[in-house]
Amino acid sequence: DIVMTQSPDSLAVSLGERATINCKSSQSVLYSSNNKNYLAWYQQKPGQPPKLLIYWASTRESGVPDRFSGSGSGTDFTLTISSLQAEDVAVYYCQQYYSTPFFGQGTRLEIK
Amino acid sequence: QVTLKESGPVLVKPTETLTLTCTVSGFSLSNARMGVSWIRQPPGKALEWLAHIFSNDEKSYSTSLKSRLTISKDTSKSQVVLTMTNMDPVDTATYYCARTQRSGTNDYWGQGTLVTVSS
Repeated sequence: DIVMTQSPDSLAVSLGERATINCKSSQSVLYSSNNKNYLAWYQQKPGQPPKLLIYWASTRESGVPDRFSGSGSGTDFTLTISSLQAEDVAVYYCQQYYSTPFFGQGTRLEIK
Repeated sequence: QVTLKESGPVLVKPTETLTLTCTVSGFSLSNARMGVSWIRQPPGKALEWLAHIFSNDEKSYSTSLKSRLTISKDTSKSQVVLTMTNMDPVDTATYYCARTQRSGTNDYWGQGTLVTVSS
């Protein structure tokens, strides 16, 4: 299995400030034949199912605000929220789909 | 409008077999570009991918749970069924089904169903 490790486990950021969540895979999730990183980010608010935010490491799902962005390649990835809003309080998960899918352990984002 | 709905028992006893059904609408299980995955989440813990199935009956299972899982589909009923044998209290979780793109991303999710394993 390609195991995903997120950091930090929890994060507190002031409203309007930048939030950064990291995700590291135990092996590269970059598929050389199409140059795509098989990495997605999900947001899960309390009592709700997860919501797909970003796929191919940096492509925003339709309807996702542009303050959310994804970056990285190979084994190291980042989810950035450029200006934190109150509604962004949630747990964020990365997931690789290069091989048997695997989720990270999650990062809890709170307001400072 | 794409929807997925999980159904099954709320409570199962240790050693029993769990059978969960995901009923989908708004897309067809015969669509070559889409499939259905099962993912679970123990209370207060992280998501754990379990299995997926695609239109050509391609299946994949979690490495750690492979021996206990079976996924199948009934395209005519728009249903995907997951069975998990030999249930244990540690299997207590909310079980989600999700629409899975061929690439592997899960773009629509059901609301989940909480299954408790207890005698």
